[in-house]
Amino acid sequence: GAVVSQHPSRVICKSGTSVKIECRSLDFQATTMFWYRQFPKQSLMLMATSNEGSKATYEQGVEKDKFLINHASLTLSTLTVTSAHPEDSSFYICSARDLGQGISWNTEAFFGQGTRLTVV
Amino acid sequence: KQEVTQIPAALSVPEGENLVLNCSFTDSAIYNLQWFRQDPGKGLTSLLLIQSSQREQTSGRLNASLDKSSGRSTLYIAASQPGDSATYLCAVNQKHRQGGSEKLVFGKGTKLTVNP
Repeated sequence: GAVVSQHPSRVICKSGTSVKIECRSLDFQATTMFWYRQFPKQSLMLMATSNEGSKATYEQGVEKDKFLINHASLTLSTLTVTSAHPEDSSFYICSARDLGQGISWNTEAFFGQGTRLTVV
Repeated sequence: KQEVTQIPAALSVPEGENLVLNCSFTDSAIYNLQWFRQDPGKGLTSLLLIQSSQREQTSGRLNASLDKSSGRSTLYIAASQPGDSATYLCAVNQKHRQGGSEKLVFGKGTKLTVNP
């Protein structure tokens, strides 16, 4: 299947600093990527939909000024957690679909390895 | 609002046993349903994708069924192995009201332990 690479896999940062997480589709192009957040023993929750060349669409309750998303190319989307707080500590995962396989919503979603963010 | 429920939350079986994981969803207006595997601290690995028009999909020892009208899916694992130990997630893909795009809604998963 298609490969989505996420970096870094683990990051520890101080409260008040910003952290950038990268999500790359390695062998396919993705006009749309998705960012999820997962708390322990909870479901993955969609945070935002990242659209190449345009603004991201955020889910209700997700602060767009805190979670900045940039999708500058067909293979790269970034999530920046700004002014991080300990409550932002979580597991963040991105996903994308391979447009070359047909209609977006009809194809498999492939996920990155995830990023464990710890804010101290 | 779509809700996805997975039962049981955890399951422990001896090696070699056949087992069934259950997934139910409240809104049958879905594009497809996808089963994933997640190892501790890792991302998701796609196992099977079933389109809304399909009844089942098979891959190796895995078989997933879908009954869209009743809002149910099952993942059948044959001849389980210790390497199958992981959390299994099901997710339904549905039209997202915001921007008309699609959205995956996940269950909380079933944590499977296969004992040697």
